[in-house]
Amino acid sequence: KNEVEQSPQNLTAQEGEFITINCSYSVGISALHWLQQHPGGGIVSLFMLSSGKKKHGRLIATINIQEKHSSLHITASHPRDSAVYICAVRKGGSEKLVFGKGTKLTVNP
Amino acid sequence: SQTIHQWPATLVQPVGSPLSLECTVEGTSNPNLYWYRQAAGRGLQLLFYSVGIGQISSEVPQNLSASRPQDRQFILSSKKLLLSDSGFYLCAWTGGGGTSGRYNEQFFGPGTRLTVL
Repeated sequence: KNEVEQSPQNLTAQEGEFITINCSYSVGISALHWLQQHPGGGIVSLFMLSSGKKKHGRLIATINIQEKHSSLHITASHPRDSAVYICAVRKGGSEKLVFGKGTKLTVNP
Repeated sequence: SQTIHQWPATLVQPVGSPLSLECTVEGTSNPNLYWYRQAAGRGLQLLFYSVGIGQISSEVPQNLSASRPQDRQFILSSKKLLLSDSGFYLCAWTGGGGTSGRYNEQFFGPGTRLTVL
């Protein structure tokens, strides 16, 4: 079983819809990262969080340490949000990230 | 501001040929540096990471090697490429264990797409 599980694997939405991507992990962590990978391959760090909630524009990330679960929300989705969203965790005391397999989001106009 | 460079952007190499991919970071000192590979349709796999000059940790035994000759330079090499080495190679950095703290965000380079024929 993977230490980081994401759901759904694929997600198709209409422009304007509210989107939620989920990430569950099974190990103790010091931080959780949400990353965005565009079709060309480039990866951008969206959030790094260890507790609570962070917001940047239309993106919101939450984490529940007790439940070992994080969600990434996109409000008022737009076709330019189409990308693969990757959850990664940093195990406690480690310099390394463990990655989920990603969620491919397609937002249709 | 910090910048991370990778080159080349794309590379097509025959099986058995050598490989050298370079990554450099600007605007920071003593970063932790990482090499990842993403095979087609697969997730990111950590290959090597380095917490300082000459310090390399290998995650996956294979025909690849890494070196860190300077603080902000990370090189991925192979003496003889295999077909299975094809993929998208990403370099990344985080702040080192000094004043930046250990748990900073991870910043990725633009990647090198390697095709081994």
